[in-house]
Amino acid sequence: RKEVEQDPGPFNVPEGATVAFNCTYSNSASQSFFWYRQDCRKEPKLLMSVYSSGNEDGRFTAQLNRASQYISLLIRDSKLSDSATYLCVVKGSPNAGGTSYGKLTFGQGTILTVHP
Amino acid sequence: EAGVAQSPRYKIIEKRQSVAFWCNPISGHATLYWYQQILGQGPKLLIQFQNNGVVDDSQLPKDRFSAERLKGVDSTLKIQPAKLEDSAVYLCASSLLFQETQYFGPGTRLLVL
Repeated sequence: RKEVEQDPGPFNVPEGATVAFNCTYSNSASQSFFWYRQDCRKEPKLLMSVYSSGNEDGRFTAQLNRASQYISLLIRDSKLSDSATYLCVVKGSPNAGGTSYGKLTFGQGTILTVHP
Repeated sequence: EAGVAQSPRYKIIEKRQSVAFWCNPISGHATLYWYQQILGQGPKLLIQFQNNGVVDDSQLPKDRFSAERLKGVDSTLKIQPAKLEDSAVYLCASSLLFQETQYFGPGTRLLVL
């Protein structure tokens, strides 16, 4: 089983639509969770962190369910500029020796295309 | 503020050749990461440095890959000899010590023929 799994899509939606991405992770000891955005042929950039209480940033809402080991991202009122790959990212816990500061593990990404 | 710099941006080599990539992190960032991103996949961590020490290299194929960060600033990643399956984008990222947000460079696209 992959450490972080996402539906690769692609998702093709019209402008103004609401779209949701899901992600599951396998390590119950994972500490932190993020969504990164990666435009075509560009580097990944942090979109938002994900907190247990859920958090919102404008049109974007992220939620975490630790019991189910499930993370989601909701995009409301989609814009053309939202077209990108959305990467679910999980940060593990430091190892027993304290020498690893919790590496980031990326999902394969979900491709979103917003069309006029 | 200048971002993470990487060079070269593109490289084409034949299998069994050697190649090296360079990364200059954001000034003041003690932690530096090298990732490999194969087409259609998310980035995979190869090695993590804190200053000039290796924190995690568990996923680095050490028979052919090596990396160093001698003065705790710039870093180089080397592949010797390259294989076809090494074709990927090699991303460098940096972060402040113990901070979770990583800032990525533009990457080096490697094609091994």
